[in-house]
Amino acid sequence: NAGVMQNPRHLVRRRGQEARLRCSPMKGHSHVYWYRQLPEEGLKFMVYLQKENIIDESGMPKERFSAEFPKEGPSILRIQQVVRGDSAAYFCASSPAINNEQFFGPGTRLTVL
Amino acid sequence: DAKTTQPNSMESNEEEPVHLPCNHSTISGTDYIHWYRQLPSQGPEYVIHGLTSNVNNRMASLAIAEDRKSSTLILHRATLRDAAVYYCILRDPHGSSNTGKLIFGQGTTLQVKP
Repeated sequence: NAGVMQNPRHLVRRRGQEARLRCSPMKGHSHVYWYRQLPEEGLKFMVYLQKENIIDESGMPKERFSAEFPKEGPSILRIQQVVRGDSAAYFCASSPAINNEQFFGPGTRLTVL
Repeated sequence: DAKTTQPNSMESNEEEPVHLPCNHSTISGTDYIHWYRQLPSQGPEYVIHGLTSNVNNRMASLAIAEDRKSSTLILHRATLRDAAVYYCILRDPHGSSNTGKLIFGQGTTLQVKP
């Protein structure tokens, strides 16, 4: 059973461009969480999705950020018009149920030039 | 979610036991104590969790104080591969605002010396 997959592992964007981060949960997991880790800081929850639905987006910035988890395909975290402050490691985690152990992917490291 | 307090850093020698403490004095009766760790340049990984009784698994043991206001993660024989940031997290599966999200603090950075 493959683990949580994230791609790309590294992404470089210039200010003002769009960044798309993909997360394929473990097989059978319908719950996906996105977290962000700024340089030298701890992990912060961003958004929780359960197949086609956003359940909790309380940690996601109101502007420029969006997330989806379509019926088919990976979950996508989209950042429009990136700024230098968006440079961070973005991790997704999946779980088979809401309060089960979360399995994390290797992360996408976004660098904004 | 209730807050946890951990030391910023700890050191250990290889093949010796390590006791990582966590204080959670405002823990509620339905909060579970979870531990995750993050190895360098990797995503976090689950270690162990418990409610009231001490717990053991292949990775570690979790000792929970009788009043549940503190707990200790025990690595029985530290290896170099155990060098990581260890996070103690409280989760209430029955809370009205529960969405399963993990709230990470700063954690304890464990250094293991050969």
